[in-house]
Amino acid sequence: TQLLEQSPQFLSIQEGENLTVYCNSSSVFSSLQWYRQEPGEGPVLLVTVVTGGEVKKLKRLTFQFGDARKDSSLHITAAQPGDTGLYLCAGGRESYQLTFGKGTKLSVIP
Amino acid sequence: NAGVTQTPKFQVLKTGQSMTLQCAQDMNHEYMSWYRQDPGMGLRLIHYSVGAGITDQGEVPNGYNVSRSTTEDFPLRLLSAAPSQTSVYFCASSYLLSDSRQETQYFGPGTRLLVL
Repeated sequence: TQLLEQSPQFLSIQEGENLTVYCNSSSVFSSLQWYRQEPGEGPVLLVTVVTGGEVKKLKRLTFQFGDARKDSSLHITAAQPGDTGLYLCAGGRESYQLTFGKGTKLSVIP
Repeated sequence: NAGVTQTPKFQVLKTGQSMTLQCAQDMNHEYMSWYRQDPGMGLRLIHYSVGAGITDQGEVPNGYNVSRSTTEDFPLRLLSAAPSQTSVYFCASSYLLSDSRQETQYFGPGTRLLVL
Protein backbone atom coordinates (compact mmCIF):
# COMPACT_ATOMS: atom_id res chain seq x y z
CA THR A 1 0.00 0.00 0.00
CA GLN A 2 1.36 3.39 -0.96
CA LEU A 3 1.24 5.94 1.85
CA LEU A 4 1.14 9.71 1.63
CA GLU A 5 2.10 11.82 4.63
CA GLN A 6 1.01 15.43 4.79
CA SER A 7 2.46 18.13 7.00
CA PRO A 8 1.59 20.12 8.89
CA GLN A 9 -1.68 18.61 10.04
CA PHE A 10 -3.02 22.00 11.16
CA LEU A 11 -2.00 25.50 10.13
CA SER A 12 -3.39 28.80 11.38
CA ILE A 13 -2.02 31.97 9.83
CA GLN A 14 -2.86 35.64 9.43
CA GLU A 15 -4.23 37.03 6.19
CA GLY A 16 -1.41 38.07 3.88
CA GLU A 17 1.13 35.50 5.10
CA ASN A 18 2.69 32.83 2.91
CA LEU A 19 2.55 29.11 3.65
CA THR A 20 3.71 25.76 2.32
CA VAL A 21 2.06 22.38 2.74
CA TYR A 22 4.01 19.18 2.11
CA CYS A 23 3.05 15.75 0.83
CA ASN A 24 5.66 13.00 1.12
CA SER A 25 5.90 9.31 0.34
CA SER A 26 8.49 6.56 0.15
CA SER A 27 6.78 5.34 -3.03
CA VAL A 28 6.93 6.70 -6.55
CA PHE A 29 3.67 8.05 -7.92
CA SER A 30 2.84 8.36 -11.60
CA SER A 31 0.80 11.46 -10.78
CA LEU A 32 -0.27 13.47 -7.78
CA GLN A 33 -3.36 15.55 -7.23
CA TRP A 34 -4.20 18.33 -4.79
CA TYR A 35 -7.73 18.97 -3.55
CA ARG A 36 -9.42 21.51 -1.34
CA GLN A 37 -12.38 20.47 0.76
CA GLU A 38 -14.72 22.79 2.63
CA PRO A 39 -16.88 21.65 5.57
CA GLY A 40 -19.88 19.61 4.49
CA GLU A 41 -18.74 19.32 0.89
CA GLY A 42 -16.80 16.94 -1.30
CA PRO A 43 -13.16 17.54 -2.28
CA VAL A 44 -12.59 19.77 -5.30
CA LEU A 45 -9.65 19.03 -7.59
CA LEU A 46 -7.15 21.90 -7.79
CA VAL A 47 -4.37 20.44 -9.90
CA THR A 48 -2.76 17.26 -11.22
CA VAL A 49 1.02 17.02 -11.59
CA VAL A 50 2.46 14.20 -13.67
CA THR A 51 6.10 15.00 -14.48
CA GLY A 52 8.99 14.94 -12.00
CA GLY A 53 10.12 18.49 -11.29
CA GLU A 54 6.90 19.96 -12.66
CA VAL A 55 5.70 23.30 -11.31
CA LYS A 56 2.14 24.50 -11.83
CA LYS A 57 0.65 27.81 -10.81
CA LEU A 58 -2.98 28.54 -10.12
CA LYS A 59 -3.27 32.24 -9.26
CA ARG A 60 -1.65 32.50 -5.79
CA LEU A 61 -1.15 28.73 -5.48
CA THR A 62 2.06 27.05 -6.67
CA PHE A 63 2.31 23.28 -6.87
CA GLN A 64 5.56 21.34 -7.24
CA PHE A 65 6.15 17.67 -7.96
CA GLY A 66 9.48 16.34 -6.74
CA ASP A 67 12.09 15.19 -9.24
CA ALA A 68 11.78 11.60 -7.99
CA ARG A 69 7.96 11.80 -8.02
CA LYS A 70 7.79 10.86 -4.33
CA ASP A 71 6.82 14.23 -2.92
CA SER A 72 4.91 17.38 -3.67
CA SER A 73 4.31 20.78 -2.14
CA LEU A 74 1.63 23.43 -2.25
CA HIS A 75 2.67 27.03 -1.65
CA ILE A 76 0.12 29.78 -1.10
CA THR A 77 1.22 33.39 -1.44
CA ALA A 78 -0.56 36.13 0.48
CA ALA A 79 -3.19 33.84 1.98
CA GLN A 80 -6.76 35.07 2.13
CA PRO A 81 -9.68 33.96 4.34
CA GLY A 82 -11.20 32.29 1.27
CA ASP A 83 -8.24 29.89 1.24
CA THR A 84 -9.46 28.35 4.49
CA GLY A 85 -10.20 24.65 4.14
CA LEU A 86 -8.80 21.13 4.21
CA TYR A 87 -6.07 20.53 1.64
CA LEU A 88 -5.61 16.95 0.52
CA CYS A 89 -2.97 15.36 -1.66
CA ALA A 90 -3.71 12.12 -3.47
CA GLY A 91 -1.73 9.86 -5.73
CA GLY A 92 -2.02 6.68 -7.69
CA ARG A 93 -1.60 5.06 -11.04
CA GLU A 94 -5.22 5.67 -11.94
CA SER A 95 -7.70 8.40 -11.04
CA TYR A 96 -10.24 5.85 -9.80
CA GLN A 97 -7.80 4.23 -7.36
CA LEU A 98 -6.29 7.04 -5.34
CA THR A 99 -4.41 7.01 -2.06
CA PHE A 100 -5.08 10.14 -0.01
CA GLY A 101 -3.04 11.87 2.62
CA LYS A 102 -4.77 12.77 5.89
CA GLY A 103 -4.94 16.42 4.95
CA THR A 104 -3.80 19.80 6.19
CA LYS A 105 -6.45 21.95 7.84
CA LEU A 106 -5.74 25.59 7.01
CA SER A 107 -7.31 28.54 8.80
CA VAL A 108 -6.61 32.03 7.50
CA ILE A 109 -7.50 34.66 10.06
CA PRO A 110 -8.65 38.07 8.73
CA ASN B 1 -24.94 19.14 -15.87
CA ALA B 2 -25.64 18.16 -12.29
CA GLY B 3 -22.19 16.55 -11.96
CA VAL B 4 -22.05 13.83 -9.30
CA THR B 5 -25.14 13.48 -7.13
CA GLN B 6 -25.49 11.42 -3.96
CA THR B 7 -28.56 10.45 -1.97
CA PRO B 8 -29.42 10.55 0.83
CA LYS B 9 -27.46 13.42 2.41
CA PHE B 10 -27.91 12.01 5.92
CA GLN B 11 -28.92 8.61 7.23
CA VAL B 12 -29.22 7.00 10.66
CA LEU B 13 -29.24 3.22 10.80
CA LYS B 14 -29.44 0.65 13.53
CA THR B 15 -26.84 -2.09 13.73
CA GLY B 16 -27.74 -4.91 11.37
CA GLN B 17 -29.90 -2.86 9.01
CA SER B 18 -29.08 -2.72 5.33
CA MET B 19 -29.24 0.22 2.98
CA THR B 20 -28.07 1.49 -0.38
CA LEU B 21 -26.23 4.75 -0.93
CA GLN B 22 -27.01 6.12 -4.36
CA CYS B 23 -24.52 7.80 -6.69
CA ALA B 24 -25.18 9.12 -10.18
CA GLN B 25 -23.16 11.16 -12.67
CA ASP B 26 -24.30 12.78 -15.91
CA MET B 27 -20.88 13.43 -17.46
CA ASN B 28 -20.54 10.03 -19.18
CA HIS B 29 -17.41 9.28 -17.15
CA GLU B 30 -15.97 5.79 -17.40
CA TYR B 31 -14.53 5.61 -13.92
CA MET B 32 -16.37 5.78 -10.62
CA SER B 33 -15.22 5.22 -7.05
CA TRP B 34 -16.51 5.13 -3.50
CA TYR B 35 -14.49 6.52 -0.60
CA ARG B 36 -15.15 6.89 3.10
CA GLN B 37 -13.77 9.76 5.15
CA ASP B 38 -13.19 9.40 8.86
CA PRO B 39 -11.69 11.99 11.22
CA GLY B 40 -7.91 11.86 11.11
CA MET B 41 -7.92 9.13 8.45
CA GLY B 42 -8.24 10.96 5.17
CA LEU B 43 -10.24 9.31 2.38
CA ARG B 44 -10.02 5.57 1.91
CA LEU B 45 -11.08 3.71 -1.22
CA ILE B 46 -13.90 1.18 -0.77
CA HIS B 47 -14.72 0.01 -4.31
CA TYR B 48 -14.22 1.29 -7.81
CA SER B 49 -15.46 0.67 -11.34
CA VAL B 50 -13.75 1.19 -14.69
CA GLY B 51 -16.94 0.80 -16.70
CA ALA B 52 -20.41 -0.71 -16.75
CA GLY B 53 -20.28 -4.28 -15.51
CA ILE B 54 -16.74 -3.97 -14.10
CA THR B 55 -16.04 -3.41 -10.41
CA ASP B 56 -13.17 -4.14 -8.06
CA GLN B 57 -12.23 -3.80 -4.40
CA GLY B 58 -10.32 -0.95 -2.90
CA GLU B 59 -8.51 -0.64 0.41
CA VAL B 60 -11.50 -1.16 2.76
CA PRO B 61 -14.16 -3.26 0.94
CA ASN B 62 -15.42 -5.47 3.79
CA GLY B 63 -19.11 -4.99 4.57
CA TYR B 64 -19.85 -3.23 1.27
CA ASN B 65 -21.09 -4.36 -2.14
CA VAL B 66 -21.26 -2.46 -5.41
CA SER B 67 -22.59 -2.99 -8.90
CA ARG B 68 -22.42 -0.94 -12.10
CA SER B 69 -25.23 -1.81 -14.48
CA THR B 70 -25.11 1.55 -16.27
CA THR B 71 -22.43 4.17 -16.90
CA GLU B 72 -24.39 6.71 -14.86
CA ASP B 73 -25.10 4.85 -11.62
CA PHE B 74 -22.83 3.28 -9.01
CA PRO B 75 -24.74 2.33 -5.83
CA LEU B 76 -22.99 1.24 -2.63
CA ARG B 77 -24.76 -1.35 -0.49
CA LEU B 78 -24.24 -1.90 3.21
CA LEU B 79 -25.33 -5.46 3.85
CA SER B 80 -25.52 -5.40 7.66
CA ALA B 81 -24.57 -2.02 9.10
CA ALA B 82 -22.08 -1.85 11.97
CA PRO B 83 -21.08 1.14 14.14
CA SER B 84 -17.62 0.99 12.51
CA GLN B 85 -19.29 2.04 9.25
CA THR B 86 -20.27 5.39 10.71
CA SER B 87 -18.56 7.77 8.32
CA VAL B 88 -18.98 10.24 5.49
CA TYR B 89 -19.18 8.50 2.13
CA PHE B 90 -18.08 10.16 -1.09
CA CYS B 91 -18.66 9.02 -4.63
CA ALA B 92 -16.33 10.24 -7.38
CA SER B 93 -16.22 10.00 -11.15
CA SER B 94 -13.40 10.62 -13.59
CA TYR B 95 -12.06 9.93 -17.04
CA LEU B 96 -8.66 10.04 -18.66
CA LEU B 97 -8.24 12.83 -21.17
CA SER B 98 -7.11 11.45 -24.51
CA ASP B 99 -3.38 11.51 -25.34
CA SER B 100 -2.60 12.73 -21.86
CA ARG B 101 -2.11 11.62 -18.31
CA GLN B 102 -4.23 14.52 -17.19
CA GLU B 103 -7.34 13.31 -15.47
CA THR B 104 -10.50 14.97 -14.32
CA GLN B 105 -12.02 14.00 -11.02
CA TYR B 106 -15.31 15.09 -9.54
CA PHE B 107 -16.62 14.27 -6.09
CA GLY B 108 -20.21 14.25 -4.94
CA PRO B 109 -21.35 16.19 -1.86
CA GLY B 110 -21.27 13.12 0.38
CA THR B 111 -23.62 11.02 2.49
CA ARG B 112 -23.26 11.25 6.26
CA LEU B 113 -24.07 7.91 7.85
CA LEU B 114 -24.52 7.20 11.55
CA VAL B 115 -24.89 3.59 12.67
CA LEU B 116 -26.19 3.14 16.19
